[in-house]
Amino acid sequence: AQSVTQLGSHVSVSEGALVLLRCNYSSSVPPYLFWYVQYPNQGLQLLLKYTSAATLVKGINGFEAEFKKSETSFHLTKPSAHMSDAAEYFCAVSSVSGGYNKLIFGAGTRLAVHP
Amino acid sequence: ETGVTQSPTHLIKTRGQQVTLRCSSQSGHNTVSWYQQALGQGPQFIFQYYREEENGRGNFPPRFSGLQFPNYSSELNVNALELDDSALYLCASSQDRDGEKLFFGSGTQLSVL
Repeated sequence: AQSVTQLGSHVSVSEGALVLLRCNYSSSVPPYLFWYVQYPNQGLQLLLKYTSAATLVKGINGFEAEFKKSETSFHLTKPSAHMSDAAEYFCAVSSVSGGYNKLIFGAGTRLAVHP
Repeated sequence: ETGVTQSPTHLIKTRGQQVTLRCSSQSGHNTVSWYQQALGQGPQFIFQYYREEENGRGNFPPRFSGLQFPNYSSELNVNALELDDSALYLCASSQDRDGEKLFFGSGTQLSVL
């Protein structure tokens, strides 16, 4: 069975500081991995995805994530936080079985950015 | 290109009632998936519809049911509502049933009192 664990339900950084949101996965097959962002009262927006091409994936809004098979990790980073990055972030793994695809999400990490 | 739209945005029901939530898929998408997001948790897969047929189901009881229409819009129905059904319900559409890119709506916030 596939699963995702996000370490840290809340992360707080200063504006301009490095953002690091941690995600570890468990999968018996090569995984497809995703990061989604959810702003208040909104749905989920795809930040980036890993689909077995380059291990360093660049996404929108300056975010990137690195797939590390040896560590079963897919951590999300951004060099310099902006106030507008404050949101909930979800890591997810794609599970394809029986002809359909579903996403298995972590519990989320709420990012706070303070001046 | 239109996005995924859900209605209503908010809904309050009492325990034991029935509710219907609606979703319009993104143009050109034939697959819709529904997710339940309880407070403080990540979304959980309820089921997926592909070309008007249920194509896959998560660990939810039969009182959660759905429909997909010829125009690929969709409904989620929940019977005999329980307090634990209070959650944000998200609809996501994709171009195919094994498509990895999902487009999410803004969700319907359901409160069961």
